[in-house]
Amino acid sequence: AQSVAQPEDQVNVAEGNPLTVKCTYSVSGNPYLFWYVQYPNRGLQFLLKYITGDNLVKGSYGFEAEFNKSQTSFHLKKPSALVSDSALYFCAVRDPTTYSGAGSYQLTFGKGTKLSVIP
Amino acid sequence: KAGVTQTPRYLIKTRGQQVTLSCSPISGHRSVSWYQQTPGQGLQFLFEYFSETQRNKGNFPGRFSGRQFSNSRSEMNVSTLELGDSALYLCASSPWGPLGNEQYFGPGTRLTVT
Repeated sequence: AQSVAQPEDQVNVAEGNPLTVKCTYSVSGNPYLFWYVQYPNRGLQFLLKYITGDNLVKGSYGFEAEFNKSQTSFHLKKPSALVSDSALYFCAVRDPTTYSGAGSYQLTFGKGTKLSVIP
Repeated sequence: KAGVTQTPRYLIKTRGQQVTLSCSPISGHRSVSWYQQTPGQGLQFLFEYFSETQRNKGNFPGRFSGRQFSNSRSEMNVSTLELGDSALYLCASSPWGPLGNEQYFGPGTRLTVT
């Protein structure tokens, strides 16, 4: 079974500084990895994904993430944090080999990391 | 293109009652999934539908059920509500195709059971 770990419940960073939100995963096959952001009283917004190819993927709002297969990690990064980036961030994994036939879109999420950007 | 819509946005029910939540996916999306979000358990997968068929189901009791209609709209039902069912219920849709497709989430329905 697949699993995702986000080791930090909360990350605090000063505005303008680089930010990193950590994620490690466990799957039996090659993973499909996703980052989502959730603002208060809102649903999840898709930020970026890794399916295959270049280990550094770029997404919305200046975010990027680096896939590291040997460390089974997919950390989210941004060179310069904004106060408006303050939100709850979720890493998620989909194992395309888990289900027979056409597969499933089911995502397994980490517990989430609350990012606070301090002015 | 309009996003995923969920109704109602907020709901208060009493223990023992049942509730039905509705989800309209993005136009053209045929796969709909439901997730439960709670502070303690985080985001947990409930079930997934495609072409009116349940394709996958999470580890929830039989009180949780769902269905999908021919226009891809989906409903989920929870019977005999318990206090622990209080949660944000999120619906997500995807276009049917490669499994690398991301899911698009609605704003959720906040269910409070008293």
